[in-house]
Amino acid sequence: NAGVMQNPRHLVRRRGQEARLRCSPMKGHSHVYWYRQLPEEGLKFMVYLQKENIIDESGMPKERFSAEFPKEGPSILRIQQVVRGDSAAYFCASSPEQGVERIDTQYFGPGTRLTVL
Amino acid sequence: RKEVEQDPGPFNVPEGATVAFNCTYSNSASQSFFWYRQDCRKEPKLLMSVYSSGNEDGRFTAQLNRASQYISLLIRDSKLSDSATYLCVVYSWGKLQFGAGTQVVVTP
Repeated sequence: NAGVMQNPRHLVRRRGQEARLRCSPMKGHSHVYWYRQLPEEGLKFMVYLQKENIIDESGMPKERFSAEFPKEGPSILRIQQVVRGDSAAYFCASSPEQGVERIDTQYFGPGTRLTVL
Repeated sequence: RKEVEQDPGPFNVPEGATVAFNCTYSNSASQSFFWYRQDCRKEPKLLMSVYSSGNEDGRFTAQLNRASQYISLLIRDSKLSDSATYLCVVYSWGKLQFGAGTQVVVTP
C-alpha cells in the first residue's frame, strides 16, 4: 500500500509566479490535510478537505492560496503570485473514514519544499 | 499564547541515559494527543498516541495530564538513532496542532 505521495518534492519559483503542489492520499483515504512548515518553525494547519468539499480552511491565508480535492485525481494546493515569505515545506496528510481506523491518525507525505527566488 | 508549547532544547543525552520532556496545550477541549518524530525536517512520523492512564511503547513512555493540560515523553536507554526533533501534537476537530518541537541529541 503506497503511502501519501506528493509532487514535486522540490519546487523553485520566482516572485509573482504560481505554484501548484499535488498530493495523492493513501489508498482508501478520503480526508486530506495540508500543513506548512516555515524555516525554524513547527507545522501549521492550513486546510482540511474531503472529496469535492472544503471542511476547514481556517489556516489558509486569505489571499493567493486555494486548495481543492476533486472527485478524481490528487488534491492541489495552489499559491498564486508567490512571494519570498511563501518559501517553506508543505506537507500533505491523509486519514481514513471514521470506523476504519482512528480518524485522528494522519499519515504524512514527504512534503514539497518550495523556494521562492 | 501558542496553542501547543514545547521547550525547544536541545537536550544533549549520553547514549544509554534517560531523557524526559513535556509540552503544554491551551485548548481544554482537545480530543486526542500524540508524539510525532521529525528527522531533519522530513515528514513527521507518528511515534505514539498518549493516554491519561499513561502508555509505553518499548523504551518510550507517554503521559497525559488533562487537568494541568500537559503531555510528557520519556525515553529510556537512549540510542543514537533517537536523535531527532520530537513534536507534541494535539488533535481537535479534524486538525492537528503541532508544537515547534523538542530537539534531542544522543551522543556516544
